[in-house]
Amino acid sequence: QKEVEQDPGPLSVPEGAIVSLNCTYSNSAFQYFMWYRQYSRKGPELLMYTYSSGNKEDGRFTAQVDKSSKYISLFIRDSQPSDSATYLCAMSGNAGNNRKLIWGLGTSLGVNP
Amino acid sequence: NAGVTQTPKFQVLKTGQSMTLQCAQDMNHNSMYWYRQDPGMGLRLIYYSASEGTTDKGEVPNGYNVSRLNKREFSLRLESAAPSQTSVYFCASSGHRDASDTQYFGPGTRLTVL
Repeated sequence: QKEVEQDPGPLSVPEGAIVSLNCTYSNSAFQYFMWYRQYSRKGPELLMYTYSSGNKEDGRFTAQVDKSSKYISLFIRDSQPSDSATYLCAMSGNAGNNRKLIWGLGTSLGVNP
Repeated sequence: NAGVTQTPKFQVLKTGQSMTLQCAQDMNHNSMYWYRQDPGMGLRLIYYSASEGTTDKGEVPNGYNVSRLNKREFSLRLESAAPSQTSVYFCASSGHRDASDTQYFGPGTRLTVL
């Protein structure tokens, strides 16, 4: 079993839809949770960063962490065609062998006008 | 600020040839990383450098060497390229001494080994 599981999709939604992207993980030591967006033929770019549990909102994007369920989510409201990209989750712990970023495989999202 | 830059953007090699991928960052970050990204495999860490003067193996180091030339630059060398090294290579940097902090990526190098 991988440390971080992420459904690769593809996910296709109409413009204006609410999108929910998810990752599950197995290591309870993870404390830092990130979402990256990667456009085709580009490098990943940091979208959201949260520490420990809770929610974080930035414009149309909301990141949610549920440590009890080992589950993180990224919600996109009022999705736009420009949101079409691959979304990768990444996470890490505080010390020792938990310091390296562990990546999900990414979910491919298409938003249709 | 340019962020993280990588050269070249594209490269085609024949099996057995060598090459060096260059990476530089202008964010005064301590840590730098080399990843490869393959379909269905995601991002895999090749090597990283937590600070100037140190390098460590990642998940898939075989067939690669790295040099942390100074705080800004981190190069990746393929001594004898193999078709299995056909991939997209990303360099990244982060501001803290360990890999738990957020990483900022370059645009990537697309390498094909024939």
